[in-house]
Amino acid sequence: EDQVTQSPEALRLQEGESSSLNCSYTVSGLRGLFWYRQDPGKGPEFLFTLYSAGEEKEKERLKATLTKKESFLHITAPKPEDSATYLCAVQAGGATNKLIFGTGTLLAVQP
Amino acid sequence: KAGVTQTPRYLIKTRGQQVTLSCSPISGHRSVSWYQQTPGQGLQFLFEYFSETQRNKGNFPGRFSGRQFSNSRSEMNVSTLELGDSALYLCASRGQGLETQYFGPGTRLLVL
Repeated sequence: EDQVTQSPEALRLQEGESSSLNCSYTVSGLRGLFWYRQDPGKGPEFLFTLYSAGEEKEKERLKATLTKKESFLHITAPKPEDSATYLCAVQAGGATNKLIFGTGTLLAVQP
Repeated sequence: KAGVTQTPRYLIKTRGQQVTLSCSPISGHRSVSWYQQTPGQGLQFLFEYFSETQRNKGNFPGRFSGRQFSNSRSEMNVSTLELGDSALYLCASRGQGLETQYFGPGTRLLVL
């Protein structure tokens, strides 16, 4: 069964304290792995799409990496405005565009 | 380009009623998917439409249905509402040949 597990469930950082969020997955025929950011009461905001092991993408203080079994979202020198829930999702092979989501990591960055 | 829009943003209904939610995808996007988000279950796939045809359906009861119009706008309907249907309903659109789905702000449904 296709599955996505994110860890930790919650993370509290001091401003400037770098860390990583983990997303491990089991899926038949990965078509893509996606990272989203979600603020309270809002829809998920797209961050990155990764397609194959070894791929990396960066945006400001965020960097996403992908291996055959997991993905990491590295946050470098975070700021309070980076506080949000970070969601990981995978799209399996086949005709479906269904995304399978993890339960997310709630990140709080304190000034 | 304008993003995905959803209406209404908030709804309060009572058990047994039915509700219709609307989603307008990003201009040019023909694929629309719906998801339900609850604190206990997270984001779960409801169904996907492409060119007015339902292509996939998640594990939800038949009370949940949807449709897509020729302009790619989509609606989802929930009949005989139950308390457990209280959730944030999210719509996402995807461009042809691309994998990334872009989400709307969601409709918050509260069933009393």
